[in-house]
Amino acid sequence: EIVLTQSPGTLSLSPGERATLSCRASQSVNSNSVAWYQQKAGQAPRLLIFGASDRATGIPDRFSGSGSGTDFSLTISRLEPEDFAVYFCQHYGNSLFTFGPGTRVDIK
Amino acid sequence: EVQLIQSGPEVKKPGESLRISCKGSGYSFTNNWIAWVRQMPGKGLEYMGRIGPSDSSIDYSPSFQGHVTISAGKSISTAYLQWSSLKASDTAIYYCARLPMRFPPYLGVWGQGTTVIVSS
Repeated sequence: EIVLTQSPGTLSLSPGERATLSCRASQSVNSNSVAWYQQKAGQAPRLLIFGASDRATGIPDRFSGSGSGTDFSLTISRLEPEDFAVYFCQHYGNSLFTFGPGTRVDIK
Repeated sequence: EVQLIQSGPEVKKPGESLRISCKGSGYSFTNNWIAWVRQMPGKGLEYMGRIGPSDSSIDYSPSFQGHVTISAGKSISTAYLQWSSLKASDTAIYYCARLPMRFPPYLGVWGQGTTVIVSS
């Protein structure tokens, strides 16, 4: 079973700054199977990135995903006030979805 | 617009049964699998299982196999998540999500979530 680890647990930044979130898999995975979600307080998760680097419909281009093998990242180029939220990475394999524990991005 | 609308919050006692629902609209319901995801209070996301509405194929996560039942009513474009005997540890928000017609899949459209509280 693939285990996903996300770092840091919390990222404290100011609006306008760049955020880089990491997701590490316990073994090498197909990058097509990696996705990222944003969850704001009291809301359902929202798909941001699929296939490691493809933005979902309607997602601003300040969000970008990259990576391969065991190391993946989500970058927010310039944080907007609405971007402060929790971000989860996800892997699909062997008919199972596995989520990382999440990174909280909060306002410094 | 593709939407998944979930049933309302529930407060139940341990040992009671429960079925919550997820109704799809804005697309052909039988074309896409529906998954269920649990989020316990203050915690992360846990995949429970999924159903293919066209033939009612079902996959369960090993962590949830035997504890819940997933089903669907094709004619009313609705997926269900059911418990026969709730426990306090079932207290959580439950989300349904639509998988795209793509492999590998991802969770593309999410319902708003159903809060289930189990307390004596």
